[in-house]
Amino acid sequence: EDQVTQSPEALRLQEGESSSLNCSYTVSGLRGLFWYRQDPGKGPEFLFTLYSAGEEKEKERLKATLTKKESFLHITAPKPEDSATYLCAVPLAQTGANNLFFGTGTRLTVIP
Amino acid sequence: DSGVTQTPKHLITATGQRVTLRCSPRSGDLSVYWYQQSLDQGLQFLIQYYNGEERAKGNILERFSAQQFPDLHSELNLSSLELGDSALYFCASSVASGVGYGYTFGSGTRLTVV
Repeated sequence: EDQVTQSPEALRLQEGESSSLNCSYTVSGLRGLFWYRQDPGKGPEFLFTLYSAGEEKEKERLKATLTKKESFLHITAPKPEDSATYLCAVPLAQTGANNLFFGTGTRLTVIP
Repeated sequence: DSGVTQTPKHLITATGQRVTLRCSPRSGDLSVYWYQQSLDQGLQFLIQYYNGEERAKGNILERFSAQQFPDLHSELNLSSLELGDSALYFCASSVASGVGYGYTFGSGTRLTVV
């Protein structure tokens, strides 16, 4: 059964304190791993898609990496505006479809 | 503004009632997805449409139904509502149906069943 587990559930960082969020997955035939950011009361915002082990993508203070079993979202020198819930997701095994299975997220709080 | 429009933003209704949530996808997107987000379950996939046809179904209850119209907007109908149906309902869209296309989510409809 496809499974996505994110850790930690919550993370509090001081501004400028770098850290990493983890997303471990068990899927048969990974067809991509997605990272989203969600602010309270809003819809998730797409960040990255990773397709193969060793792939890395960056956007401002965020860098996503992928191995065969997990993905990391590295946050370098975070700012208070980076506070949000970060979700990872994988496509479910349905041919021709693009429905995603989401993890429960890591709630990040960056303290000034 | 993501370009995906959901109405209404908030909805309060009584148990046993029926409601309709509406979604207009981003211009040019043919695929529409519905997700439910509750506090204890996280984001759960309900159903996907592509160019008017149902493409995939998740754990959508029989009391729930959806459709995508020729102008590509979509509606999610929830009937015989129960307290447990209270949640945020998100619509998302993408240009195609295949894997790898990132979704654009709307801002959601918050449904409260009392």
